[in-house]
Amino acid sequence: NAGVTQTPKFQVLKTGQSMTLQCAQDMNHEYMSWYRQDPGMGLRLIHYSVGAGITDQGEVPNGYNVSRSTTEDFPLRLLSAAPSQTSVYFCASSRSTAGGKDTQYFGPGTRLTVL
Amino acid sequence: AQSVTQLGSHVSVSEGALVLLRCNYSSSVPPYLFWYVQYPNQGLQLLLKYTSAATLVKGINGFEAEFKKSETSFHLTKPSAHMSDAAEYFCAVSMEYGNKLVFGAGTILRVKS
Repeated sequence: NAGVTQTPKFQVLKTGQSMTLQCAQDMNHEYMSWYRQDPGMGLRLIHYSVGAGITDQGEVPNGYNVSRSTTEDFPLRLLSAAPSQTSVYFCASSRSTAGGKDTQYFGPGTRLTVL
Repeated sequence: AQSVTQLGSHVSVSEGALVLLRCNYSSSVPPYLFWYVQYPNQGLQLLLKYTSAATLVKGINGFEAEFKKSETSFHLTKPSAHMSDAAEYFCAVSMEYGNKLVFGAGTILRVKS
């Protein structure tokens, strides 16, 4: 198993550009989520999905869109990039959607810089 | 709302010394608690988790943590630090229903030779 994979590893955008961060998992996990990591703030939840076709907002959803058309993939779209979205983005997945004790498995991250 | 406080953004210990990383949580009901480790330029890896079984939880790489409900704490310890333990450590909490993790701000552990 490759686990959770993310592409690209690095990206530089100009203000106003749009892009999609890709996330895929091969563990047949129901639950997938996106976090952003900023220095001194830990990780904050952007969006999450409890299964194909079902998504919901996390703590910091503004400026981001998600969709979940398959179990495996959970892309994150930046609609119009802003410097405040400069961050490291992590995708995570876990086996089930009910019961918070499941381990979440994290991808290697995407480091995004918005100029 | 849940929250997690990690006391000390940076902790420095000598090789072979005790490692103690502090984590306190706020929650109206008993939560599930996690410690994750992040090595430079990598994703997060689970060290250990508390899921309401034993209050003393043993994890990978010799780490352990004790859930103390009366103190709302879940501190991470390791008896003897190794150079390879240098990393950032995150404490996180989730509730019984739903998988949303709330993270602390993280503690960077430095190990001196």
